[in-house]
This record gives sequence, structure tokens and C-alpha cells, in this order.
Amino acid sequence: SYELSQPLSVSVALGQTARITCEGNNIGSINVHWYQQKPGQAPVLVIYGDSNRPSGIPDRFSGSNSGNTATLTISGAQAGDEAEYSCQVWDSSTAVVFGGGTKLTVL
Amino acid sequence: QLQLQESGPGLVKPSETLSLTCTVSGGSISSSSHYWGWIRQPPGKGLQWIGTIYFSGSTYFNPSLQSRVTFSVDTSKNQFSLKLTSVTAADTAVYYCARLLIPVPVPHPYFDSWGQGTLVTVSS
Repeated sequence: SYELSQPLSVSVALGQTARITCEGNNIGSINVHWYQQKPGQAPVLVIYGDSNRPSGIPDRFSGSNSGNTATLTISGAQAGDEAEYSCQVWDSSTAVVFGGGTKLTVL
Repeated sequence: QLQLQESGPGLVKPSETLSLTCTVSGGSISSSSHYWGWIRQPPGKGLQWIGTIYFSGSTYFNPSLQSRVTFSVDTSKNQFSLKLTSVTAADTAVYYCARLLIPVPVPHPYFDSWGQGTLVTVSS
């Protein structure tokens, strides 16, 4: 079955750029989607199809995907961006696969 | 605006069956562009996909749960449901229902709308 690996935690200074990675075998060949989840709330889609932002998501959020690594980038991180971020793919054999999630701390 | 709402018991005894229903409003569960799914999150842990159903009844399951999971769809009520049998404490989690959009031309679906989630505790 397909597996995704994310760092447990990432820290970023206020106003700086945060990068959260999602690793998988040849992940660049499939679309990656990213969700933001704040404590006690349901996940919210922030990036779909590697690099597309849903309506209402600030352009501070961007995504890229190549080789074995997909990356969610948050430029000019704000205190309100502190949350858990999870990547997700659709694999032809496993269907839906989530990464383990990364806790972003804004210092 | 699409809304999903989970409903069902918040407490289930070990070895019994967990049953949840998701009611969809503001959109049709018979949409050809969407699947419908269940995801859970044990306390302090990450998201775990349970499975996905299409309005026609076709399903995909997480292999680790497949033997215990049943899905159903009621298009007349715009609802879909989950049954998880033989539950243990390890099934204690917040359970979410969500809509899975099937994009074109590259059909790599993603969850574009989620319910608020419901906590189900397995305990005697």
C-alpha cells in the first residue's frame, strides 16, 4: 500500500516562510492535496491538485510537487496559521491515503 | 452552501456495532462528480480514511478496516451511513463525513467539504 511521510512538527518565526513536506514514492506523478486543521475543528482544504488554492484561501499558501516530495509553503506565516497540516493523495491501489500530519508552530 | 452533519450514538460498548449517519444539505448526494467518505481521527492522532461510497453504491475501503465496515446510501433522504462492527477502544475517535470531489481531467479526488465531526467513545 502507498504511504506518505510528514515531519511531526515544523516551527517558523512570525512573518517568515514555513515549508511542510510530504514524502512518497514517486509522489510527483500523482496529485497532492493539503488540509489545515485547527484544534477542535474539522479539516479545511487549503491546496488541491498540487498547487491550486480553493476560494477563500490566502495566496500566502502555495504548493509544489516533484520527484518524491510534495511541499506546502506558507509565506509570511501568521499566528492564525498555527495548526496541523495533512497531505492526501489518491492512489490507484489504496484509494485515499493521508500523511500523518505536521504540527506547525508560529513563534 | 453544502453542509454535512454526522449523527449517531456518542458511546458504544466494546464488541458492539458503531452506526453513524451523514445528512447532506445544500447539494445532492446523487451528484456524478462526487464520492462521499468517512474519515476518523483518534485522540491526539492523525486522520485515518475509513472508506468512500458513490451514490450508485460502489465502494472503496481502507484495507485495515474493510472486514468490519459497511456503507449504505439513501438517496431519498440525501444520507449515507457507516457501520463498524466488533468495536474496541482503538475505535474511539472523532468521526467525520466528507464530500470527495472527482476532478477532471485528472481524477485524483480530494475532500472539498467536511462535517463538523462527532466523537464516538468505545467503553463499557
